[in-house]
Amino acid sequence: NAGVTQTPKFRVLKTGQSMTLLCAQDMNHEYMYWYRQDPGMGLRLIHYSVGEGTTAKGEVPDGYNVSRLKKQNFLLGLESAAPSQTSVYFCASSYFGAGNSGANVLTFGAGSRLTVL
Amino acid sequence: QQPVQSPQAVILREGEDAVINCSSSKALYSVHWYRQKHGEAPVFLMILLKGGEQKGHEKISASFNEKKQQSSLYLTASQLSYSGTYFCGTAKAAGNKLTFGGGTRVLVKP
Repeated sequence: NAGVTQTPKFRVLKTGQSMTLLCAQDMNHEYMYWYRQDPGMGLRLIHYSVGEGTTAKGEVPDGYNVSRLKKQNFLLGLESAAPSQTSVYFCASSYFGAGNSGANVLTFGAGSRLTVL
Repeated sequence: QQPVQSPQAVILREGEDAVINCSSSKALYSVHWYRQKHGEAPVFLMILLKGGEQKGHEKISASFNEKKQQSSLYLTASQLSYSGTYFCGTAKAAGNKLTFGGGTRVLVKP
């Protein structure tokens, strides 16, 4: 049981290049999230999805796009990378249902380290 | 709005205790605590729901004061394995997305 898998784990981009981070989960979770982690800033939510075909903006959505075409996959795209997007990106998923009191516990992937030169 | 964690960092000797606080200016439904080891993903420790229930995980426990909208994480008789960065995440309603604090770095020395 893999849980949440992120690819790639590392990537170096030049300013202006584009790329896509892939997140896949095999737990049949409804909710999926993309966070970025910067020193001293904690985890900040970029975009999230509450189900297949839906997406919503988080705290820091500018410069990113997402898609959730399949329930198990959540893609994060950078159309024109900037040095300010150098960060560690974490994908997470959660289950929200009647049986867990709305607990919405997150399972995180291992992270993707992106450097934009 | 991000919850505020304090302190930002703490250094302990093995066996010592510590308290990490997480405060919000908004009414909360739940507070989550996660621990992240260096170079790894955050891992869920425990959740506290509205109602002030205290939870525990090994010798780590937490409380949630609804009146103050504050949660505290207690590290008791700390072990070397407790080292890492602790994050609180808060939600304003059931099923809502989590907003995380800036983290508290904990280093436990022998």
